[in-house]
Amino acid sequence: GAVVSQHPSWVICKSGTSVKIECRSLDFQATTMFWYRQFPKQSLMLMATSNEGSKATYEQGVEKDKFLINHASLTLSTLTVTSAHPEDSSFYICSARDLDRGFGEQFFGPGTRLTVL
Amino acid sequence: AQTVTQSQPEMSVQEAETVTLSCTYDTSESDYYLFWYKQPPSRQMILVIRQEAYKQQNATENRFSVNFQKAAKSFSLKISDSQLGDAAMYFCAYYTGTASKLTFGTGTRLQVTL
Repeated sequence: GAVVSQHPSWVICKSGTSVKIECRSLDFQATTMFWYRQFPKQSLMLMATSNEGSKATYEQGVEKDKFLINHASLTLSTLTVTSAHPEDSSFYICSARDLDRGFGEQFFGPGTRLTVL
Repeated sequence: AQTVTQSQPEMSVQEAETVTLSCTYDTSESDYYLFWYKQPPSRQMILVIRQEAYKQQNATENRFSVNFQKAAKSFSLKISDSQLGDAAMYFCAYYTGTASKLTFGTGTRLQVTL
């Protein structure tokens, strides 16, 4: 149980285009999902917290107009990188919190590698 | 703000030996959780072990155990009988209900040699 999927697993796009990444909790309902960014050989940096049915909460320094987050259902959150540029190339990881597991343990997706040419 | 420090960027251990990864954290909270996550080359984050701050007993999961020193704000991970499959990045993480988010350390890359 507690499986989180991400799609796509990798994507290459041209500069200026938009890319959507999906995060799904497959066997539990997730009222809260988290989006992280990870640069090579670095730690995970939280970008935003996504709550079902409400606006996402962005971390300081993260452009909300650049990284659009939608959490329309209890099992799906999406991250759209708008007008992508090469500096947006990174590994994006989502996690979902299962409130039925005590304090709400987070389960991580397998990540999406984005390359912007 | 909470911070998590992992002072060992890289560690190496021989197969079947024991290794300890260090982690310290800074917080003013009294109720929180601490985690060790493993990130293998596949980059899938895997929960290794979890410790609730209110529990004095150190958590143990098979070959993995922690040394939780609350007063010293220290949370080290001991891996016994190391296996080749243990080679990965290990991240220490902190969670409190106040912030409702995980704060990760910078990670320690563990190599396991024959």
